[in-house]
Amino acid sequence: AAGVIQSPRHLIKEKRETATLKCYPIPRHDTVYWYQQGPGQDPQFLISFYEKMQSDKGSIPDRFSAQQFSDYHSELNMSSLELGDSALYFCASSLGTGGLTEAFFGQGTRLTVV
Amino acid sequence: AQKVTQAQTEISVVEKEDVTLDCVYETRDTTYYLFWYKQPPSGELVFLIRRNSFDEQNEISGRYSWNFQKSTSSFNFTITASQVVDSAVYFCALSEASGGSNYKLTFGKGTLLTVNP
Repeated sequence: AAGVIQSPRHLIKEKRETATLKCYPIPRHDTVYWYQQGPGQDPQFLISFYEKMQSDKGSIPDRFSAQQFSDYHSELNMSSLELGDSALYFCASSLGTGGLTEAFFGQGTRLTVV
Repeated sequence: AQKVTQAQTEISVVEKEDVTLDCVYETRDTTYYLFWYKQPPSGELVFLIRRNSFDEQNEISGRYSWNFQKSTSSFNFTITASQVVDSAVYFCALSEASGGSNYKLTFGKGTLLTVNP
């Protein structure tokens, strides 16, 4: 069965550069969630989209932006990268946001800022 | 505000021992969802279980079992006859139905389980 695809799997950027992470949800899934997990930390919710509209927002820095496109894939754009942005970034997708829905996580993108 | 506490930072056991991972949560919502995820050294998040707040039935799945007690706001996870492959970080997480998205999860800090041969 198709799973959530995240690309790239690994990314190395320098400080002050820009990075774009991509998430391709499971086919027919209309909801995408982004999480950031720093080294040795728990995942932190960043932002979510439902039907191409932002549905919820967490602790996402102003330097970050995200969107969901017409084919439901999502991109997380990060500008003016800082060393502290080094983390594992997870995307999850679900069909709807109701109580009985289930979300599936991708394998994550490991971003290293040097 | 919602909060998840996993008091055990690290646990080390010998293979075949039983081990229980504790999870205590705080929420003002009457409808919420509790989760357990496993994160092996490879880094992916592996879904283990989701529980709705109105379903306090305990659950057993193979060597895994979960004890949900609303009276003590706890959702503990037990691995019976642990194996080396169980070594991972285990996260307990909570989402509130009033929070909009049901997968806007608040995670605990995680418990690193090491199973030694």
